[in-house]
Amino acid sequence: QQQVKQSPQSLIVQKGGISIINCAYENTAFDYFPWYQQFPGKGPALLIAIRPDVSEKKEGRFTISFNKSAKQFSLHIMDSQPGDSATYFCAAKSNFGNEKLTFGTGTRLTIIP
Amino acid sequence: DGGITQSPKYLFRKEGQNVTLSCEQNLNHDAMYWYRQDPGQGLRLIYYSQIVNDFQKGDIAEGYSVSREKKESFPLTVTSAQKNPTAFYLCASSQSGLNTDTQYFGPGTRLTVL
Repeated sequence: QQQVKQSPQSLIVQKGGISIINCAYENTAFDYFPWYQQFPGKGPALLIAIRPDVSEKKEGRFTISFNKSAKQFSLHIMDSQPGDSATYFCAAKSNFGNEKLTFGTGTRLTIIP
Repeated sequence: DGGITQSPKYLFRKEGQNVTLSCEQNLNHDAMYWYRQDPGQGLRLIYYSQIVNDFQKGDIAEGYSVSREKKESFPLTVTSAQKNPTAFYLCASSQSGLNTDTQYFGPGTRLTVL
């Protein structure tokens, strides 16, 4: 069962533009929403995360927007750079019971000059 | 890669053979996880362990086995019962408890069945 739906599957953005990746979830018990960045042949690394008590979190060029009523959250990369080219995964977790992360299917982002 | 080591980086196996992937962490984390990554399918949880000598099946445990005899080690065995084992395998760890949700990933092992 796909509990976190991520789109688009791939994205091409011009250098300096804004990259936007979207995720939607179904489980209302989710209360932690991280984004991971993965370069080819490497393990994912935490990029930024948000909890539902805020609607937006910004760290440098990276911003998470969170819409609790719509059960959606998105990653915005401002002033996208070629070094941002990677695969991005959204995820979600509930603090009830076990501590499993449920991942989206990933977005391959390519920043072109 | 945050104090998590996986070995080997590349592994080749003949059909019908069992193979064990190593995962070690020096972060003193209680919880450890194994994921499988296939193109277009994201990360799928195989097994996880929240404490030494205890582990639970994830979403795709069939054909895999694990052990957790030491806090810092969580090896994964891919058995011959796993029908399609060629994939990128990722180990992760985290500290248990509220407000400590971050999972740290190792560099991964790419397994190819010949």
